[in-house]
Amino acid sequence: GAVVSQHPSWVICKSGTSVKIECRSLDFQATTMFWYRQFPKQSLMLMATSNEGSKATYEQGVEKDKFLINHASLTLSTLTVTSAHPEDSSFYICSAREGQGDADTQYFGPGTRLTVL
Amino acid sequence: GQNIDQPTEMTATEGAIVQINCTYQTSGFNGLFWYQQHAGEAPTFLSYNVLDGLEEKGRFSSFLSRSKGYSYLLLKELQMKDSASYLCAVTDSNYQLIWGAGTKLIIKP
Repeated sequence: GAVVSQHPSWVICKSGTSVKIECRSLDFQATTMFWYRQFPKQSLMLMATSNEGSKATYEQGVEKDKFLINHASLTLSTLTVTSAHPEDSSFYICSAREGQGDADTQYFGPGTRLTVL
Repeated sequence: GQNIDQPTEMTATEGAIVQINCTYQTSGFNGLFWYQQHAGEAPTFLSYNVLDGLEEKGRFSSFLSRSKGYSYLLLKELQMKDSASYLCAVTDSNYQLIWGAGTKLIIKP
């Protein structure tokens, strides 16, 4: 199956700093990538949809100036958490959609656990 | 509003069979997914149904009835490693993926 990698797998940072998370599709081209966050014992919450070469579409309530998303190539999307605060501590997961159809399967990266002190 | 319902938690015995149900009310339907998520890890894809009927894949099978807004995931010959959360997700008419809260499956020896 399709493989999606994410880096780093975990990060601890100080409040006020910025953290960049990379999401790569390793064996396929992903025109669309998704960023989710998940709090403990809760379901996935979609933060934004990222299309290669265009601006990301953010879900309601997600601050686009705080969570910067760049999808510069068909295999790489990055999420930068700017001026991180303890409430941003969460599990961030990316997924990539293989194929051109909107109904195609999403394959998930392993996730990045962010802890902001 | 859009809603996906699945049981919060289920318990089953190693070697047995368990069925996890999912009912949905969404604006349109363009497919239903089942994902498995172990604690602390990202979800992994299990199955996709867009037509009515049963899709079998090894020990796991998934069933869909669009007229009833209903799906189930059937796990046979349960193993301890099957202990995980199972997430049901539906693609609506806008091709947005709507997620259920997940069913935590506990396997006992």
